[in-house]
Amino acid sequence: GQQVMQIPQYQHVQEGEDFTTYCNSSTTLSNIQWYKQRPGGHPVFLIQLVKSGEVKKQKRLTFQFGEAKKNSSLHITATQTTDVGTYFCAPEKDSWGKLQFGAGTQVVVTP
Amino acid sequence: SQTIHQWPATLVQPVGSPLSLECTVEGTSNPNLYWYRQAAGRGLQLLFYSVGIGQISSEVPQNLSASRPQDRQFILSSKKLLLSDSSFYLCAWSLAGQGGDEQFFGPGTRLTVL
Repeated sequence: GQQVMQIPQYQHVQEGEDFTTYCNSSTTLSNIQWYKQRPGGHPVFLIQLVKSGEVKKQKRLTFQFGEAKKNSSLHITATQTTDVGTYFCAPEKDSWGKLQFGAGTQVVVTP
Repeated sequence: SQTIHQWPATLVQPVGSPLSLECTVEGTSNPNLYWYRQAAGRGLQLLFYSVGIGQISSEVPQNLSASRPQDRQFILSSKKLLLSDSSFYLCAWSLAGQGGDEQFFGPGTRLTVL
């Protein structure tokens, strides 16, 4: 079945630095969503990618979907303390909209 | 606007006791509803999925069950809790129909089984 691996599991970033988290699948994905969960909070939707090679930007966040639709990445530039949290990729599991959440990348930002 | 409610926010229950967690959605009709479980520092595991009243799909066999007695009400239950049921339980909804829509999560219930 479809499995996704997120790397790294943990990322310690100095404020102002850039970092990237990756989501890799063993199978071709129809689409992929990204969510952010603040410590103690619930996941909040960030973006959905559908097309091969798609790139979307949200301020300092850049999301990319691989050409083969088997991987995706989230790049954050000039990290701020507000970026603290766990970022999950979530490919669509089936045509009914169920999602397969990755294990997440926990991001800690030091001032 | 749409909102999703979950209660209680935290719960401490003894092993072997029953469980009932409730989730309600406002501001939308016939949503897809989901129950997830999240162990500390881990990803989300889909437990149950519903596309309509009385229609429940189970993703993982376990001692939990779900019901949807009303269009916008989703209940997670157990007859006898296990220690391993301690977790963070999240309810979510998405628009009706087939795939591709974002999911909106409730605030969650932190369950501790002692």
